[in-house]
Amino acid sequence: AQTVTQSQPEMSVQEAETVTLSCTYDTSESNYYLFWYKQPPSRQMILVIRQEAYKQQNATENRFSVNFQKAAKSFSLKISDSQLGDTAMYFCAFSNLQGAQKLVFGQGTRLTINP
Amino acid sequence: EAQVTQNPRYLITVTGKKLTVTCSQNMNHEYMSWYRQDPGLGLRQIYYSMNVEVTDKGDVPEGYKVSRKEKRNFPLILESPSPNQTSLYFCASSWGRGSYGYTFGSGTRLTVV
Repeated sequence: AQTVTQSQPEMSVQEAETVTLSCTYDTSESNYYLFWYKQPPSRQMILVIRQEAYKQQNATENRFSVNFQKAAKSFSLKISDSQLGDTAMYFCAFSNLQGAQKLVFGQGTRLTINP
Repeated sequence: EAQVTQNPRYLITVTGKKLTVTCSQNMNHEYMSWYRQDPGLGLRQIYYSMNVEVTDKGDVPEGYKVSRKEKRNFPLILESPSPNQTSLYFCASSWGRGSYGYTFGSGTRLTVV
């Protein structure tokens, strides 16, 4: 079974700093998808970025980028020039292409951006 | 606006009183799913549906039922709620196998006393 681990329960940085959230996963599959979701206090789940495992190039969406290390099964999220609106819970998630269809989530990292 | 609509947003109920949380999507997605979110555990899948009349258990199905009679609707039913079902619930939908991500509803905070 696939598992996703986020080892940082909480993080806090100053506004405008860069912050990196860690995520590791375990799977025996060679092709899959990885996601980062943001959950602000409104509790809405918002897709931040996605990565296809067969693509070596790291995904980027404006200030958000990932460092995808397939061999190490690592998928970290970097937030550049952090803003107060980035304060949220962040979830790393894995989606397989075989078997039961589902997102497997990590435990989440609560990120606070301080003014 | 493309969205997944969940109702109610908040619900407090008593042990054993049957309840239904509704979920509806307007994107013609084939796949729909229910998750529950608990502190320190992330989100875990309860049930999912690949299409009308096709449903299957997720990782934590005990105490829940679902049905998919129409493509757009996927209600979650708790026939005899218990306090350990107090949680935040999310409905989600996607195209195909969700390779472009899932669209989530706004969540239902359920408290069972």
